[in-house]
Amino acid sequence: GNSVTQMEGPVTLSEEAFLTINCTYTATGYPSLFWYVQYPGEGLQLLLKATKADDKGSNKGFEATYRKETTSFHLEKGSVQVSDSAVYFCALALWNSGNTPLVFGKGTRLSVIA
Amino acid sequence: DSGVTQTPKHLITATGQRVTLRCSPRSGDLSVYWYQQSLDQGLQFLIQYYNGEERAKGNILERFSAQQFPDLHSELNLSSLELGDSALYFCASSVGQRGGPTDTQYFGPGTRLTVL
Repeated sequence: GNSVTQMEGPVTLSEEAFLTINCTYTATGYPSLFWYVQYPGEGLQLLLKATKADDKGSNKGFEATYRKETTSFHLEKGSVQVSDSAVYFCALALWNSGNTPLVFGKGTRLSVIA
Repeated sequence: DSGVTQTPKHLITATGQRVTLRCSPRSGDLSVYWYQQSLDQGLQFLIQYYNGEERAKGNILERFSAQQFPDLHSELNLSSLELGDSALYFCASSVGQRGGPTDTQYFGPGTRLTVL
């Protein structure tokens, strides 16, 4: 089946540290890949996405590159801020006759301390 | 603000009861998705509607049902509630006219259901 595996958290970093959150996937097909972020007490927000191999999604200083050869979509940020503290979800979607429900990883909680 | 609205924000009820959660999609979006977020199961897809018709089904219990109305808003009905149904329920919407890899889902703020 289709699945997403994320590194387990929580991840605690100091402000301005480098962030990597690993994400790998298994899919019966060619998925689109997404990172969503959930800030405390809020819903999910789309952070970035990539729809084909070697695409790089980027937003708010975060980046992730779609690596088909390693089935990975790792999230990176060069310098985190306290405001980046949230839960990050990696997800995939497979288009099949218009059905595109998302398959999520379990989420990685990030805490950034000043 | 994603443009997807959900009501109510919080719901507290007792076991055995029935509740209805409501979702209004972004203007122009034809697809509505329901997801359940719980501590033990994570985020799980429940069901998708496209322009009033059921399009895909995930891990939705038989006690749960949903529908999408002509104005495209959707309702998720949960009945014979159990303690384990306590969770955050999210609605998402997308354009969904042709689906495809660029069809991005936008999420509402969620409804927190507590079953006592």
